[in-house]
Amino acid sequence: QITLKESGPTLVKPTQTLTLTCTFSGFSLSTSGVAVGWIRQPPGKALEWLALIYWDDDKRYSPSLKSRLTITKDTSKNQVVLTMTNMDPVDTATYYCAHRKPGYYFDYWGQGTLVTVSS
Amino acid sequence: SYVLTQPPSVSVAPGKTARITCGGNNIGSKGVHWYQQKPGQAPVLVIYYDRDRPSGIPERFSGSNSGNTATLTISRVEAGDEADYYCQVWDSSSDREYVFGTGTKVTVL
Repeated sequence: QITLKESGPTLVKPTQTLTLTCTFSGFSLSTSGVAVGWIRQPPGKALEWLALIYWDDDKRYSPSLKSRLTITKDTSKNQVVLTMTNMDPVDTATYYCAHRKPGYYFDYWGQGTLVTVSS
Repeated sequence: SYVLTQPPSVSVAPGKTARITCGGNNIGSKGVHWYQQKPGQAPVLVIYYDRDRPSGIPERFSGSNSGNTATLTISRVEAGDEADYYCQVWDSSSDREYVFGTGTKVTVL
């Protein structure tokens, strides 16, 4: 059974750096073809893909946010970490992590964590 | 970057058929995936690679993809199908990014 759960601060100040952790179980991020991605959703708005890390440590970022994002993995801890620098109120959103099996879609999602950016 | 366009809303009576479109340049050449999202919940995959259903998804959900439009069809709509629906593709161009559509709110009358 695959599960994922996001954790991190619920409130950050403008210009601060956000660090979110995705802790997962039921699969290994060292298995060929597996990846974990981050997707966010501002209140009342659409889903937006942010970043993805592959089993072989290859990484992909949203072109529009690439300069602000870093994604890493700790295979031994079954965790994926996303950092986003220079946070702004427009970054207020629910942040999801999701499992991507071989195939370019997300078949399991975490419950999401709401991050509010406000002074 | 690649853009996917969906109608903001679709309304359908119970028992009827809802069709949700997802428009993109030559989307027929890409694999399209669909997610259902109910209020306060995470998205759930309902269709992958244009027309395949994950286990547990009713046969009432089906998909097609050709030319510049992909379509999610929900047959014999039930009240529990009321949700937001998003299409998604992987763009294999230089950015190699995952792209979500603008989302469609399905209302069951």
